[in-house]
Amino acid sequence: DAGITQSPRYKITETGRQVTLMCHQTWSHSYMFWYRQDLGHGLRLIYYSAAADITDKGEVPDGYVVSRSKTENFPLTLESATRSQTSVYFCASRRDDYGYTFGSGTRLTVV
Amino acid sequence: GQQVMQIPQYQHVQEGEDFTTYCNSSTTLSNIQWYKQRPGGHPVFLIQLVKSGEVKKQKRLTFQFGEAKKNSSLHITATQTTDVGTYFCAGNILTGGGNKLTFGTGTQLKVEL
Repeated sequence: DAGITQSPRYKITETGRQVTLMCHQTWSHSYMFWYRQDLGHGLRLIYYSAAADITDKGEVPDGYVVSRSKTENFPLTLESATRSQTSVYFCASRRDDYGYTFGSGTRLTVV
Repeated sequence: GQQVMQIPQYQHVQEGEDFTTYCNSSTTLSNIQWYKQRPGGHPVFLIQLVKSGEVKKQKRLTFQFGEAKKNSSLHITATQTTDVGTYFCAGNILTGGGNKLTFGTGTQLKVEL
């Protein structure tokens, strides 16, 4: 899994602040995804991207913004963080029509 | 929207006992994937099933995809402490935007010596 990295691993931010979570993959996979994981909800898709400059909403996109100017990077921005966005965030990429490879995650706490 | 349900939510077993988790979708799936997440870790891809009625094995793990492609199961024979973790199924449906996985809520497995 060394090919997909997320940063930071841990982040504490205040309500109302903007925060960006980074995701970088070295395989040139076309598809990239952002999920959040909360107890009782499993993994929920926030946004995904089929290629550079192509992004689309997932199940829970409100309050988040993504961009993908380069194939290898897929940052996720919380424009104005809220306590309900406290979660573990996972980035993933996919090779063709096969399994996803996940990053190690970012544990975000909004206080 | 599409839902993927998993049961049970939790399972405690003694080492050496068998374990099964079940996954059910409200819609027909093009394929289903299974992932394992160790405590504090990230999900790791285990396998993908594509064909109706397909059965695949990985050592002590047996994966099945239902005939109607709406359900799946993962069976572990003779559990070991290394099997501890949460097992997720994830269903893939074709949409206008391409395949998107919908994850089940997971089954947390604990194995006691």
